[in-house]
Amino acid sequence: AQSVTQLGSHVSVSEGALVLLRCNYSSSVPPYLFWYVQYPNQGLQLLLKYTTGATLVKGINGFEAEFKKSETSFHLTKPSAHMSDAAEYFCAVSDGTGGFKTIFGAGTRLFVKA
Amino acid sequence: KAGVTQTPRYLIKTRGQQVTLSCSPISGHRSVSWYQQTPGQGLQFLFEYFSETQRNKGNFPGRFSGRQFSNSRSEMNVSTLELGDSALYLCASSSVTGQRGETQYFGPGTRLLVL
Repeated sequence: AQSVTQLGSHVSVSEGALVLLRCNYSSSVPPYLFWYVQYPNQGLQLLLKYTTGATLVKGINGFEAEFKKSETSFHLTKPSAHMSDAAEYFCAVSDGTGGFKTIFGAGTRLFVKA
Repeated sequence: KAGVTQTPRYLIKTRGQQVTLSCSPISGHRSVSWYQQTPGQGLQFLFEYFSETQRNKGNFPGRFSGRQFSNSRSEMNVSTLELGDSALYLCASSSVTGQRGETQYFGPGTRLLVL
């Protein structure tokens, strides 16, 4: 069975500081991994995804994530936080079998201090 | 292209009633998935439809059902509502092929409050 663990339900950084949101997954087959962002009262927006190939994935808004199979991790980073990055972030995994059954982590709320 | 639309955006129902939520996917998308989001349980997969067939189902009771029409629009129905069904219900659509790893595009959600 697949699962996703996001370390830290809340993360606070200063504007301009590094953003690091942690995600570990469990999957019995090579996974598809995703990071989504959710702003208040909105749906989810895909930031980036890993399917196959290069393990360092670049996404929108300056975010990137690295798939590390040996560590079963897919941490999300951004070199310099901006106030507009304040939102909730979800890591998700899909084993790709039989469609789009996607398992989401509990989410990490990112606060950005001025 | 227009995004995924969900109607209604907000809904208040009473325990025991039933409710139907609607989702219109992005034009050309044939896969529609539904998710329930609550503060306690987070985001949970309900079911997925592809070309009018249910392709996947999450661990929800039979009170939760769905269907997809020939134009790919989808509805989900919850019968005999319980207080715990209060949640944000999100719909997501994906491409014509529905291939593994394809991007899902989410709608803004329907916020259901059960009193």
